[in-house]
Amino acid sequence: EAGVAQSPRYKIIEKRQSVAFWCNPISGHATLYWYQQILGQGPKLLIQFQNNGVVDDSQLPKDRFSAERLKGVDSTLKIQPAKLEDSAVYLCASRLGQTTDTQYFGPGTRLTVL
Amino acid sequence: AQSVTQLGSHVSVSEGALVLLRCNYSSSVPPYLFWYVQYPNQGLQLLLKYTTGATLVKGINGFEAEFKKSETSFHLTKPSAHMSDAAEYFCAVSSSSGNTGKLIFGQGTTLQVKP
Repeated sequence: EAGVAQSPRYKIIEKRQSVAFWCNPISGHATLYWYQQILGQGPKLLIQFQNNGVVDDSQLPKDRFSAERLKGVDSTLKIQPAKLEDSAVYLCASRLGQTTDTQYFGPGTRLTVL
Repeated sequence: AQSVTQLGSHVSVSEGALVLLRCNYSSSVPPYLFWYVQYPNQGLQLLLKYTTGATLVKGINGFEAEFKKSETSFHLTKPSAHMSDAAEYFCAVSSSSGNTGKLIFGQGTTLQVKP
């Protein structure tokens, strides 16, 4: 079974530029999460989708971050404009159905903002 | 609100020694508890989880954890450390109520295994 795919794996940009990350969850997984992991910290949820609807985006900085999940499959996370403090690893995870089901994580995208 | 505290950001053990990584949680509802491992430049991999039932949970790679409600703890143990166990370990909690299943993670503990 293929895992969660993310691209790119690494990205370096200047502050105030824009960037987009892509995630392809495990086939059939209805729930998709984006987490931000700052160096030395645990991951923090940014946004959760159930199929193509947003369940929780309370921690998403909506003035600069946006996300969508077209057709309830792939998802993109965008930052515009980027700030220095956005340097982090962005992790995508997916889950089949029940809240007790395991969340499977992708390898992450490491963003460096200069 | 839920939270997780991992005691000790770095733990160092000798190969073959007992591994003990500590995790305490705070939750107003019965929690679901998880341990994940992260190797360099990789995503998180589930080691084990507690949802309901038996409080001693066995996971992959010889790890186990015990849910102790009275102590609000979910410590991770392994009887004998291997060099390959060196990684970052995260404890996480989610709520048994609601339908989000979002994970609240601790700060992480880096495990070093010395030869």
